[in-house]
Amino acid sequence: GENVEQHPSTLSVQEGDSAVIKCTYSDSASNYFPWYKQELGKRPQLIIDIRSNVGEKKDQRIAVTLNKTAKHFSLHITETQPEDSAVYFCAATSGTYKYIFGTGTRLKVLA
Amino acid sequence: NAGVTQTPKFRVLKTGQSMTLLCAQDMNHEYMYWYRQDPGMGLRLIHYSVGEGTTAKGEVPDGYNVSRLKKQNFLLGLESAAPSQTSVYFCASSKDRVYGYTFGSGTRLTVV
Repeated sequence: GENVEQHPSTLSVQEGDSAVIKCTYSDSASNYFPWYKQELGKRPQLIIDIRSNVGEKKDQRIAVTLNKTAKHFSLHITETQPEDSAVYFCAATSGTYKYIFGTGTRLKVLA
Repeated sequence: NAGVTQTPKFRVLKTGQSMTLLCAQDMNHEYMYWYRQDPGMGLRLIHYSVGEGTTAKGEVPDGYNVSRLKKQNFLLGLESAAPSQTSVYFCASSKDRVYGYTFGSGTRLTVV
């Protein structure tokens, strides 16, 4: 069936370093790829998304890249700060009702 | 603009009891969803709605029912709670299918 694999499950980086989280999807019809950040005890919040007609999108310190041929997309966070510590979820959808979520990456930024 | 509001925030039920979780959005979104979040399992779709008066099953619908009588409200019901339904429940809404979700603040449900 359709699935999204997310790696790594946990990631620790020093403050100021970069963090990269990768997701691989199985449904080649997927055309929308959002990323959500969930702080401890809070709701998931959309931080960036990308559509299949674009290869890269940036928003200040965060960026997402998409490789449709390889069916993977990645979240890049530069100059990490302690407030970036959270669980990050990727998702993919082909325009049906269903998002397929990854299982999440717990990012810890060490001061 | 409140976004997506869920009530209650916490609840403890005994096995076999019933309850309804309420979700309300003020963004005029057509699509609404109920997810459950369990440790290590990410977010799993329970039921969803593509508009007022419509509902459909997601990945894990057993033991739950939903209703969407008004566009702004999406209700999730547990008819006979089981310990396996202990989870955090999130409601979400979206403007369109291929669009970002706005999540509610969640309901932490414990069934003992």
